[in-house]
Amino acid sequence: DTAVSQTPKYLVTQMGNDKSIKCEQNLGHDTMYWYKQDSKKFLKIMFSYNNKELIINETVPNRFSPKSPDKAHLNLHINSLELGDSAVYFCASSQSFGSYEQYFGPGTRLTVT
Amino acid sequence: AQKITQTQPGMFVQEKEAVTLDCTYDTSDPSYGLFWYKQPSSGEMIFLIYQGSYDQQNATEGRYSLNFQKARKSANLVISASQLGDSAMYFCAMRGWTGGGADGLTFGKGTHLIIQP
Repeated sequence: DTAVSQTPKYLVTQMGNDKSIKCEQNLGHDTMYWYKQDSKKFLKIMFSYNNKELIINETVPNRFSPKSPDKAHLNLHINSLELGDSAVYFCASSQSFGSYEQYFGPGTRLTVT
Repeated sequence: AQKITQTQPGMFVQEKEAVTLDCTYDTSDPSYGLFWYKQPSSGEMIFLIYQGSYDQQNATEGRYSLNFQKARKSANLVISASQLGDSAMYFCAMRGWTGGGADGLTFGKGTHLIIQP
């Protein structure tokens, strides 16, 4: 069983569209994260979230919003997509904010044309 | 604010040799953790090893060891007896614990390691 899964694996869309990436973890973890890996392979935290608290990286545009229907899911919604949003997006989870190990999903490669 | 510096964009190493991947960090947080992740060409992020700032001994996991020098703020990854399957991007990362770790991992820019037969 996959611990952290993401769908879709690949997403190609046009500028201006709105899209979502889904993330699910079956580890019973309380905390989930979204990271962005740019074309130069640089990884940066976007959001940290548990059922009580959302931490947003201040550099993330407000076109990006995480939505959590339940503890096992943290979806990423992106409005008005721009060319610069093209990247690989990784979801991750950990037992809690204080847990040291984070389990990463396989990533979603988003291409905006 | 936290910062991770990896000064080796790429490395070529002969198979079976030991490899040291450099990582230096900067933080004002008195309690923090240091991590290494491997990203093969297939793209997934694989956790390798963790070192806590108050751990007395250097972390080891199989062929991986972390050479932690707190005074120098360095956390180098050592891979013993390298294998062809070790070819990948390697990322050093850290997170501070004083704030509860809620701000996620801060990553370095990575080192692309290529093991040659």
